[in-house]
Amino acid sequence: DIQMTQSPSSLSASIGDRVTITCRASQSISSYLNWYQQKPGKAPTLLIYAASSLQSGVPSRFSGSGSGTDFTLTISSLQPEDFATYYCQQSYSTQTWTFGQGTKVEI
Amino acid sequence: EVHLVESGGGLVQPGGSLRLSCAASGFTFSSFEMNWVRQAPGKGLEWISYISSTGNTVFYADFVKGRFTVSRDNAKSSLFLQMNNLRAEDTAVYYCARERTTMKEVSYYYMDVWGKGTTVTVSS
Repeated sequence: DIQMTQSPSSLSASIGDRVTITCRASQSISSYLNWYQQKPGKAPTLLIYAASSLQSGVPSRFSGSGSGTDFTLTISSLQPEDFATYYCQQSYSTQTWTFGQGTKVEI
Repeated sequence: EVHLVESGGGLVQPGGSLRLSCAASGFTFSSFEMNWVRQAPGKGLEWISYISSTGNTVFYADFVKGRFTVSRDNAKSSLFLQMNNLRAEDTAVYYCARERTTMKEVSYYYMDVWGKGTTVTVSS
């Protein structure tokens, strides 16, 4: 199975900060990488698909980059509603998808 | 508006069974592949199962193979997860999620719509 490793596991940031979260795959996954946001007690929501495509309705301060094994999610200017946990997910291996362990963004 | 609503969760003893349902609305259910994802208390997301739009193709995570069965009724816009021989470690919130595929030269896959989840607790 393809393992996904996120770093850091948690981070503290302030409003207006630029935040970067990284995700590393245990083997090359091309651009088959998605990012989700989850707030406490809520279902995940899709932010980025295919490594760098912004999902409709998602603010442009969110961006994704990378290919192969190394990927990043960047929040250009952190807003109060962005405090949440972020997960990467690979969709490379045919329907045996895996998630990273999550990165909690807190104040 | 697109909606997915899970139901069927509850408290069950180890070794017991539950059948989860996911009711879809606001889109043509029969045109979409679907997935189940779970989240144990305080833990991360785990993909469990996939089913094709017709129901002819299914996949499972190794840790549920032989115990869980995914199915769908396109006429009723419903997705199901039959869970047998439940274990304490199956305690989680279970989400159904719609799968999308990009319409480009290369197909990329992602889950764009999620239900709110249903809670399964396995305990004696």
